[in-house]
Amino acid sequence: KQEVTQIPAALSVPEGENLVLNCSFTDSAIYNLQWFRQDPGKGLTSLLLIQSSQREQTSGRLNASLDKSSGRSTLYIAASQPGDSATYLCAVSYTGGFKTIFGAGTRLFVKA
Amino acid sequence: NAGVTQTPKFQVLKTGQSMTLQCAQDMNHNSMYWYRQDPGMGLRLIYYSASEGTTDKGEVPNGYNVSRLNKREFSLRLESAAPSQTSVYFCASSDRTIYSNQPQHFGDGTRLSIL
Repeated sequence: KQEVTQIPAALSVPEGENLVLNCSFTDSAIYNLQWFRQDPGKGLTSLLLIQSSQREQTSGRLNASLDKSSGRSTLYIAASQPGDSATYLCAVSYTGGFKTIFGAGTRLFVKA
Repeated sequence: NAGVTQTPKFQVLKTGQSMTLQCAQDMNHNSMYWYRQDPGMGLRLIYYSASEGTTDKGEVPNGYNVSRLNKREFSLRLESAAPSQTSVYFCASSDRTIYSNQPQHFGDGTRLSIL
């Protein structure tokens, strides 16, 4: 069964700290992997998309890596800010990109 | 610059009632999706439409039907609502083909409670 797991479920860090969120998936035959941000009561905002052939993507203070052989992805957030507080979701797409499996998310709180 | 618009935002139904959730996107995307989000379980795909005129089942299709009315609109219907369908429903769209690999854009969700 295709599953996506995110650890930890929740994380609290002081402002300015660098942090890593983890995502693991059971089926390595992925089409792509995405990281999303979700604010309370809101929809999801796409942060980074890594295609199957890529190893990493960067956007500002965010860097996402992909290791298909080990079934893992990490989202690195540099110099965290209180505005980064949100739930971060990892999503893996299969079968031409239409079948998407989401992890349960990591709830991040950055303390000022 | 609306993106993906879902209506209604909130709804309370009684068991056995029917209703249709509406979704429209203004980005000219070819693919659209319906997900449900339950506490601690992440989002699960209900149905998707790869292109206008086609629909396919996702992970949890039972109890739901969909219609891709045109390229812009993709509706989700609950024929006979059950308490287990209490959830937050998200619609998404993307410019996705076998040659294109673009991220999904999400609406703000419909919070549905079934008593």
